[in-house]
Amino acid sequence: DAKTTQPNSMESNEEEPVHLPCNHSTISGTDYIHWYRQLPSQGPEYVIHGLTSNVNNRMASLAIAEDRKSSTLILHRATLRDAAVYYCILRDDISGNTPLVFGKGTRLSVIA
Amino acid sequence: NAGVTQTPKFQVLKTGQSMTLQCAQDMNHEYMSWYRQDPGMGLRLIHYSVGAGITDQGEVPNGYNVSRSTTEDFPLRLLSAAPSQTSVYFCASSYSGTGFYRYTFGSGTRLTVV
Repeated sequence: DAKTTQPNSMESNEEEPVHLPCNHSTISGTDYIHWYRQLPSQGPEYVIHGLTSNVNNRMASLAIAEDRKSSTLILHRATLRDAAVYYCILRDDISGNTPLVFGKGTRLSVIA
Repeated sequence: NAGVTQTPKFQVLKTGQSMTLQCAQDMNHEYMSWYRQDPGMGLRLIHYSVGAGITDQGEVPNGYNVSRSTTEDFPLRLLSAAPSQTSVYFCASSYSGTGFYRYTFGSGTRLTVV
C-alpha cells in the first residue's frame, strides 16, 4: 500500500472549521483514500472515503486534489467530541482483500 | 446491537502464560483482522482472514496464532506471553472482495504482561 504523510498534531477552537491534510504522492490509480478516527479509549471508526471526486457525509467532507497526490478532511464545525486521532489511509479497493494499514495519524485537539 | 465484540476487555498475564483473545461479529463479514496498538502509536496489523479457513500474516505476527473455523469468530492466541506483548488489541471486520467496504472495530482488549 502507498504511504501517507500527516502532521503529528493539530489544534482547533470549538465551533471553527478544521482542515486535516494528508499527502500521498505515490498513490496509484486503484487506491481509495480512507479516513478513520479514533476517539480516546475506543477503536477506530470510519469517517469518509473517496477516489477522485470530493465527498460529503454527515460527519465530514473530503477534498481530493486533482492529481490525487493530496487530500484534506474537513470538519465544518469542530466540537469537543471531535478530539481524536485521525488516520488517512490508502487502500487498493479495486483489487480487494488487502488489509487496512494504519500510520500514526494526526492528533486533533479541540479547545473550548 | 450488531457489531464486533471483543472479550475480555482487560487482562493481566504472567510472562510465559498463554491465553486467547476472543473476537466475534454478527454482520456476516468475511474479512476479519487483529491489530495491536502500543502507547502513542498507530495500529499495527497482526493477522487477518478473508474467510473461514483462510488466514494470513500481517506486519507483526510473531508470538501470535490465529485460526478461522467459522465466519463469526476469529480468536487470537498468545502462545507464551512476553512483556513486549503488553498492548491494546483491536479486532476489525468488513465485507470482502473488490470495492469499498467500511471496517468495523471492536472496543479493544487491554493486555498487560508482567
